[in-house]
Amino acid sequence: AQSVTQLDSHVSVSEGTPVLLRCNYSSSYSPSLFWYVQHPNKGLQLLLKYTSAATLVKGINGFEAEFKKSETSFHLTKPSAHMSDAAEYFCVVSDQRGGFKTIFGAGTRLFVKA
Amino acid sequence: NAGVTQTPKFRILKIGQSMTLQCTQDMNHNYMYWYRQDPGMGLKLIYYSVGAGITDKGEVPNGYNVSRSTTEDFPLRLELAAPSQTSVYFCASSSAGGSTDTQYFGPGTRLTVL
Repeated sequence: AQSVTQLDSHVSVSEGTPVLLRCNYSSSYSPSLFWYVQHPNKGLQLLLKYTSAATLVKGINGFEAEFKKSETSFHLTKPSAHMSDAAEYFCVVSDQRGGFKTIFGAGTRLFVKA
Repeated sequence: NAGVTQTPKFRILKIGQSMTLQCTQDMNHNYMYWYRQDPGMGLKLIYYSVGAGITDKGEVPNGYNVSRSTTEDFPLRLELAAPSQTSVYFCASSSAGGSTDTQYFGPGTRLTVL
């Protein structure tokens, strides 16, 4: 069975400081992993995805994530937070059985202080 | 390209009423999905479709029905609304159902059942 755990429900950072949003997963198959962002009252938007190619994945808006199989982690990072990064972030795992076996994490809300 | 559109944006229903949430995509995607998002939880899959005329249950299908008569449209029907169906509903689509495929989300419908 596959699952995904986002280790923090809320993260607060100051503008200009690094962002770290943590995600651990489990999967019986070779997983694909995604990070989606949801701004208030909006739908989810893809930030980046890992699909068994390079383990360090770069996404939009300066975000990146590293797939670490030994640690079953896929943490999202950004060197310098911007006010516009304030949103909810979802870590998502999907295995080779297809998109309808996609599991969403509970989400991490990122607060950015001026 | 409008992407995935959903109507209505908001709706209040009384217990026992019925309604249809509309979803349309203009990307010619074969796969479409309906999710619900409850506070503090990740998205849960209600139903999905792999093409016109083909639908299947997801993780939480009870109390809902779907149809897919065209590639573009994937309406979700609530027959007898219950307070437990108070949630935010997201429609999504993807070009294929593979594990690596990005899902594109609509802006959501916020439903309250009183």
